[in-house]
Amino acid sequence: EVQLVESGGGLVQPGGSLRLSCAASGFTFRIYWMSWVRQAPGKGLEWVANIKQDGSEKNYVDSVKGRLTISRDNAKNSLYLQMNSLRAEDTAVYYCAREGLGAVAGTFGHWGQGTLVTVSP
Amino acid sequence: DIQMTQSPSSLSASVGDRLTITCRASQTISNYLNWYQQKPGKAPKLLIYAASSLQTGVPSSFSGSGSGTDFTLTISSLQPEDFATYYCQQSYSTPRTFGQGTTVEIK
Repeated sequence: EVQLVESGGGLVQPGGSLRLSCAASGFTFRIYWMSWVRQAPGKGLEWVANIKQDGSEKNYVDSVKGRLTISRDNAKNSLYLQMNSLRAEDTAVYYCAREGLGAVAGTFGHWGQGTLVTVSP
Repeated sequence: DIQMTQSPSSLSASVGDRLTITCRASQTISNYLNWYQQKPGKAPKLLIYAASSLQTGVPSSFSGSGSGTDFTLTISSLQPEDFATYYCQQSYSTPRTFGQGTTVEIK
């Protein structure tokens, strides 16, 4: 069974940092692109970033470029999101999601339960 | 970036109703369109991928259609467990983008 378990969320002051983790199990992690998707309270879904299987390619939504960094450790079956210079508008539930393969690349077939990040003084 | 626009933003319906939600892309995306269902406090769940392919385990009451820029999600007979928020998402290019969501409420 595919499982994605996020951790690392919490309350942080504006300008602060946080590192989110996503532990993957039940599938061959190293062959999938992985993404982070977030959802601000009461709002819709926003894709944040993704990373290629070997970590050689990373993509970001414009609003987080230069502040959030996605990474992975295939030996540990883990995905990460390093969050620096956090702003109030980064407050959201952050989901780890597995992308599909081949023709369904970019389709999010499996999601974690999410971890809440709150940026507030 | 490709903008995704859903309509309506919300609707009220009754059990047994036939329901259609529309999603429009700001440029052609072929059939790279996915639909998700989200219930309060839960992660989204993939319903339809590649515009019209039903994800394993999803009831056949759900169907998707469209290509290019215009897409629809149809629920043929609304069940109590279908009251939720639905999102479309394009997988044609990065950044991946979602529609703003359609909330289906009980009438």
